[in-house]
Amino acid sequence: TQLLEQSPQFLSIQEGENLTVYCNSSSVFSSLQWYRQEPGEGPVLLVTVVTGGEVKKLKRLTFQFGDARKDSSLHITAAQPGDTGLYLCAGARGYGNKLVFGAGTILRVKS
Amino acid sequence: EAGVAQSPRYKIIEKRQSVAFWCNPISGHATLYWYQQILGQGPKLLIQFQNNGVVDDSQLPKDRFSAERLKGVDSTLKIQPAKLEDSAVYLCASSSTSGRWLAKNIQYFGAGTRLSVL
Repeated sequence: TQLLEQSPQFLSIQEGENLTVYCNSSSVFSSLQWYRQEPGEGPVLLVTVVTGGEVKKLKRLTFQFGDARKDSSLHITAAQPGDTGLYLCAGARGYGNKLVFGAGTILRVKS
Repeated sequence: EAGVAQSPRYKIIEKRQSVAFWCNPISGHATLYWYQQILGQGPKLLIQFQNNGVVDDSQLPKDRFSAERLKGVDSTLKIQPAKLEDSAVYLCASSSTSGRWLAKNIQYFGAGTRLSVL
């Protein structure tokens, strides 16, 4: 059973389109992180959200943490081919920096 | 600052053989993690070290997997004997225990070792 459910699993869009990726759980997390992973590489942290309702922006990427700290979304505006990759959400619970990862969303942006 | 180093990058073995992976974390990072990432899934934590002590190994299949971090710096993960279902990317990550809370929660990942068990 996946503690964090990500949707969609796969997304293929044209350059310039907008998209939203979702990360949902029935559990509460102390923080939630979003990573991007390219083929043959390890995940790279994009953002950490901590407070319920928090919104963070990173250029064309907007991250939101749900009010109840159980879900999160990642919105990309005007997607570019360089955004192609696997987007992973990971929730932290309790002490010790332990992360639980979702299965990821594979994003392909075509030029 | 150098990142997390892992070797080898790729390994192909036959089932029932043994294999070992090596990880050198970012200098000064006390916490080290080993993850298993099966194709189509997110990384799953196998074991977490703080310095040379084990913090969490609840998801490590201890009948075949072992890991050590003897001097609290680099680490080795071993599989003996390997099974077909062990085919995956093995990721090592490290994080700092100093600084603000947010900084301590950042994990830096290596590029991983892709294991194929035939």
